Amino acid sequence: NAGVMQNPRHLVRRRGQEARLRCSPMKGHSHVYWYRQLPEEGLKFMVYLQKENIIDESGMPKERFSAEFPKEGPSILRIQQVVRGDSAAYFCASSPLSEHGETQYFGPGTRLLVL
Amino acid sequence: EDQVTQSPEALRLQEGESSSLNCSYTVSGLRGLFWYRQDPGKGPEFLFTLYSAGEEKEKERLKATLTKKESFLHITAPKPEDSATYLCAVPGRGYQKVTFGTGTKLQVIP
Repeated sequence: NAGVMQNPRHLVRRRGQEARLRCSPMKGHSHVYWYRQLPEEGLKFMVYLQKENIIDESGMPKERFSAEFPKEGPSILRIQQVVRGDSAAYFCASSPLSEHGETQYFGPGTRLLVL
Repeated sequence: EDQVTQSPEALRLQEGESSSLNCSYTVSGLRGLFWYRQDPGKGPEFLFTLYSAGEEKEKERLKATLTKKESFLHITAPKPEDSATYLCAVPGRGYQKVTFGTGTKLQVIP
């Protein structure tokens, strides 16, 4: 039973380029979350998605950042016109559909470096 | 706004020297508390979920407890492989927006 998968694991971009981060949730999980972790800081919630719906994007910057979770395929976190401050580890987590709080299981992360 | 504070920031133990990590939280209503372990360069690995004050859970050398204001992660006779950063987190209303603490970096020396 494969866990949460993320790719690429490492991504290098120059300022002004676009970064696309992909996340495949665990089998049977319909909820996807994206977090950002800056060096020496905690994980910060960015966005919560279900299939074809953004449920909560309150932690995501309003400009340059977008996320989607299409009916088919992985969830995508897209960062346009990257700046050096976007350099961080981006983690995806998934959880099953449930009426109650469910534990989120994390992927290995994508480490973005902006030159 | 939910807040999570972990202490100490870093902890160095000799192998076999038991200790506890603290997680203090401020939430509008307790919906649960999560503990994760994170190794360098990896994603957080789930350890425990606690749902109500008084609840305890154990896994190998780890034991997590919960009160109305804080949680403790007790490490009994730690081994070098227990070295990692331990993260505490609380779910927000609707559970999806989880607030994490900055973690306790544990180093266990042989």
